[in-house]
Amino acid sequence: DIVMTQGALPNPVPSGESASITCQSSKSLLHSNGKTYLNWYLQRPGQSPQLLIYWMSTRASGVSDRFSGSGSGTDFTLKISSVEAEDVGVYYCQQFLEYPLTFGSGTKLEIK
Amino acid sequence: EVQLVESGGGLVKPGSSLKLSCVASGFTFSSYGMHWIRQAPKKGLEWIALIYYDSSNKYYADSVKGRFTISRDNSKNTLYLEMNSLRSEDTAMYYCAKRQPFDYWGQGVMVTVSS
Repeated sequence: DIVMTQGALPNPVPSGESASITCQSSKSLLHSNGKTYLNWYLQRPGQSPQLLIYWMSTRASGVSDRFSGSGSGTDFTLKISSVEAEDVGVYYCQQFLEYPLTFGSGTKLEIK
Repeated sequence: EVQLVESGGGLVKPGSSLKLSCVASGFTFSSYGMHWIRQAPKKGLEWIALIYYDSSNKYYADSVKGRFTISRDNSKNTLYLEMNSLRSEDTAMYYCAKRQPFDYWGQGVMVTVSS
């Protein structure tokens, strides 16, 4: 199985500052078709997860442009520019290159 | 508006069975693969099963393979998860989700396995 490893944030992050969440996969998620099979989700407290980014860098519908995804085949970053109170929650990366689909363990964001 | 509504959860004893349902609305259910994803209390997300739009293929996580069965009834816009031989480690919130990437999630249904 592909193991997804997420980094921690130096919480709390001051409101208005940027935050970068890292994710590393145990196998390259770069497919021969040139696409990278990596998604990002946010789970706000008490809510179901919501899709933020797919194909490593494509924002989902309705997602603020303060969120951006980047990376290589095995190392990925979700950047949140100018964090706001509504960004609080746990962020998950997820690979969909192969089954079983696997998630990272989550990165918690707290705002100061 | 897309809606996914799970039901069927509850408190059951180890070794027992339970069947979850997920009723979909607001999109053409029969055109999309559907997934079940679970989250143990205070833990992260675990994908557990996929069913293709036409039920032609199914995939499972090793942790549930042979015990859980995913199915769907496109005439009823409903996704199912039949869970047998339940264990304490199956205690979790169970979410259904539309396709991959998971662009819509249900609100979740809690399953507690305890004696």
